[in-house]
Amino acid sequence: KAGVTQTPRYLIKTRGQQVTLSCSPISGHRSVSWYQQTPGQGLQFLFEYFSETQRNKGNFPGRFSGRQFSNSRSEMNVSTLELGDSALYLCASSPSGQVTHGYTFGSGTRLTVV
Amino acid sequence: DAKTTQPPSMDCAEGRAANLPCNHSTISGNEYVYWYRQIHSQGPQYIIHGLKNNETNEMASLIITEDRKSSTLILPHATLRDTAVYYCIVRVSRDDKIIFGKGTRLHILP
Repeated sequence: KAGVTQTPRYLIKTRGQQVTLSCSPISGHRSVSWYQQTPGQGLQFLFEYFSETQRNKGNFPGRFSGRQFSNSRSEMNVSTLELGDSALYLCASSPSGQVTHGYTFGSGTRLTVV
Repeated sequence: DAKTTQPPSMDCAEGRAANLPCNHSTISGNEYVYWYRQIHSQGPQYIIHGLKNNETNEMASLIITEDRKSSTLILPHATLRDTAVYYCIVRVSRDDKIIFGKGTRLHILP
């Protein structure tokens, strides 16, 4: 079956712009989580959505937001981009987010802010 | 913050067993231990998880100490393709987010 699909794979944006990243989870998976990965900070949790509701949130400013649609596809948005937002953004899906289920990650979207 | 401690890097000869330790001394009774790995430029890959019993699957074995304060991931016959960063994570309820630490960078030596 198809894995987790993230689009686009690469993106270059200018400071001050906004960006929207998309994640399509594995069919039947209802939980989607987003992570930011940078060389300095490693993998940092952004937020998790389950059945269109944000269930968990990490320690990121309000410029980072997300949403989940009824088909479980998720988007994350970053407004007023800063140079420090350059990172690999990863999304992961799980059937329900329950602890007995592992998460499947996508290949990520590499965002470069110039 | 991550609830686990791992060595920053380890070496293992190709064909030998790679034993990756993880300390989780503050783990609670209802917290599971998960292992993921991340090969360069790819998303993390789920390996295995367990609560208190040892677990084995096609990729690896997970040995959890009786007091559950530490665990070891065993890759029985390491290959060059096992070169990656390995993350040990503890996770509680179904609503708990997965928090990654720094992980262990495993180098497989030919």
